[in-house]
Amino acid sequence: AQRVTQPEKLLSVFKGAPVELKCNYSYSGSPELFWYVQYSRQRLQLLLRHISRESIKGFTADLNKGETSFHLKKPFAQEEDSAMYYCALVGGSQGNLIFGKGTKLSVKP
Amino acid sequence: DAGVTQSPTHLIKTRGQQVTLRCSPKSGHDTVSWYQQALGQGPQFIFQYYEEEERQRGNFPDRFSGHQFPNYSSELNVNALLLGDSALYLCASSDRLDYNSPLHFGNGTRLTVT
Repeated sequence: AQRVTQPEKLLSVFKGAPVELKCNYSYSGSPELFWYVQYSRQRLQLLLRHISRESIKGFTADLNKGETSFHLKKPFAQEEDSAMYYCALVGGSQGNLIFGKGTKLSVKP
Repeated sequence: DAGVTQSPTHLIKTRGQQVTLRCSPKSGHDTVSWYQQALGQGPQFIFQYYEEEERQRGNFPDRFSGHQFPNYSSELNVNALLLGDSALYLCASSDRLDYNSPLHFGNGTRLTVT
């Protein structure tokens, strides 16, 4: 079955510390993976997608097919990074995403 | 550009009633997907519409139905409401011909079933 697992409900770090939000997936075939973010009182929005291999707001994510992981990393967390982060996998088409339960990142000053 | 707009923002219904939620996609988008987000969970795919037809469906009962209009806007209908239908319902739009365009989400409709 296709599934996305985010093991941490809450991750709390201090400003300037490294951050890693974990995401593991279950998918037969070549997965297409995303990270979505929801800042306080804002709508859910795309942060990055693995096929773009880009860095957005200092965040990167590498697809590890051997470990079936797509962890989100940032070397130095900022207070404005505090938000809800969701890892997602394309289920059947671009609009059909399978989301994890999300991790709430709290960056303390 | 207002992006994806959803109405109403909040709704309270009684068990057994029917509800209709509405969504206008981002300008230039022709595809609408609906998601249900229960408290503490990630969004769960309900179905997707383009060219006025349901194209994909998630694991939801037939009580959940939808419609897409010629102007690409969409409705989500839920019949015989259950307490467990209480959730945030999200609409997302995309451009079917631009595979690299990301999903754009609305702010959602908060449905409470009592």
